[in-house]
Amino acid sequence: EAGVAQSPRYKIIEKRQSVAFWCNPISGHATLYWYQQILGQGPKLLIQFQNNGVVDDSQLPKDRFSAERLKGVDSTLKIQPAKLEDSAVYLCASSQSTGVGELFFGEGSRLTVL
Amino acid sequence: AQKITQTQPGMFVQEKEAVTLDCTYDTSDQSYGLFWYKQPSSGEMIFLIYQGSYDEQNATEGRYSLNFQKARKSANLVISASQLGDSAMYFCAMRERGAQKLVFGQGTRLTINP
Repeated sequence: EAGVAQSPRYKIIEKRQSVAFWCNPISGHATLYWYQQILGQGPKLLIQFQNNGVVDDSQLPKDRFSAERLKGVDSTLKIQPAKLEDSAVYLCASSQSTGVGELFFGEGSRLTVL
Repeated sequence: AQKITQTQPGMFVQEKEAVTLDCTYDTSDQSYGLFWYKQPSSGEMIFLIYQGSYDEQNATEGRYSLNFQKARKSANLVISASQLGDSAMYFCAMRERGAQKLVFGQGTRLTINP
């Protein structure tokens, strides 16, 4: 079974530029999450989708961050314009509604803003 | 308020010894789930073990076990017979009733010495 796919793995941009990250969840997983993990900290939820609807985006900085999951499968997270404090690893995860519902994570996209 | 607290920023253990990683949590829900994840230097979050709030027995998965003390709101991870490959960051996380997202602690960096 293929895992959660993310790209790019690494991205370096100047502040005020834009960047987009892509995520393809495990097949059949209805719920998709984007987490931000700043160095030395635990992951923090940015946004959660159930199919193509947003369940929780309370901690998403909506003035600069946006995310979509148009067909209920893959998702894109965009940052525009980027700030220095956006330097972090952006983790995508997916889960299914059966079992204990553990999250399966991708390898993450590491963003450096200069 | 911090929902998940991991008070040990770093732990150093000799190979083959057992190690306990501490986790306390804060919730007013009666139904919740507790998770432990391992994050090696590669960055991917790996699910280790789950404990439901109504589970009467402590969860075990191979060398991993969870010391669940509900009244104290603690869910410590115990790794028996530690191996060099256990060196990683370890995160405790909680899912409250009605929510699908996981809320993570700050993590503990475990280093296994040969």
